[in-house]
Amino acid sequence: NAGVTQTPKFRILKIGQSMTLQCTQDMNHNYMYWYRQDPGMGLKLIYYSVGAGITDKGEVPNGYNVSRSTTEDFPLRLELAAPSQTSVYFCASSDATSGITYNEQFFGPGTRLTVL
Amino acid sequence: GDSVTQMEGPVTLSEEAFLTINCTYTATGYPSLFWYVQYPGEGLQLLLKATKADDKGSNKGFEATYRKETTSFHLEKGSVQVSDSAVYFCALMGGSNYKLTFGKGTLLTVNP
Repeated sequence: NAGVTQTPKFRILKIGQSMTLQCTQDMNHNYMYWYRQDPGMGLKLIYYSVGAGITDKGEVPNGYNVSRSTTEDFPLRLELAAPSQTSVYFCASSDATSGITYNEQFFGPGTRLTVL
Repeated sequence: GDSVTQMEGPVTLSEEAFLTINCTYTATGYPSLFWYVQYPGEGLQLLLKATKADDKGSNKGFEATYRKETTSFHLEKGSVQVSDSAVYFCALMGGSNYKLTFGKGTLLTVNP
């Protein structure tokens, strides 16, 4: 049971390039999330998904796109990289079963992205 | 909207010292409250949680009590170890059952 895995661990992009950050979970969780973590700013939610085929925007979705074709995978796409997207990106998942009061989110190890 | 304010760091302590990291929140209704820990180079891990007023969450010697009257969830540990060096995040989950709102994080360094 690997939990939440993310690739790559590190990446440097030039302005205007595109890339996909991969995220996979093997816990059969229905909810998945993408966050970015900027120094001294905590985590901000970019996008989330409540199940395969369903995605929605978080607090800071501009410049990103997501898809969820399977329960396990939730890739994050950057189409035209900008320096403002330099950050550490975390994927998370949770089992948001209806009727319970909270859902622990399990986090991947992160992808450190630098845009120059 | 929901918000979390936690003590600014960094916090530097000697081994076996007492730790308090303050956390206060603003939310409508009755949120669930969490402390997450991030060790160097890793993702976040849930440290402890409390889902209703007066609940005490505890794990690995850390404790936090959900105080509705003061809208607080302060993290405490009686005797810190070098291995506790990490960034600690206070978070809340409000009316939804999925959306976490995080504080900015507090870096703790424990020296031997």
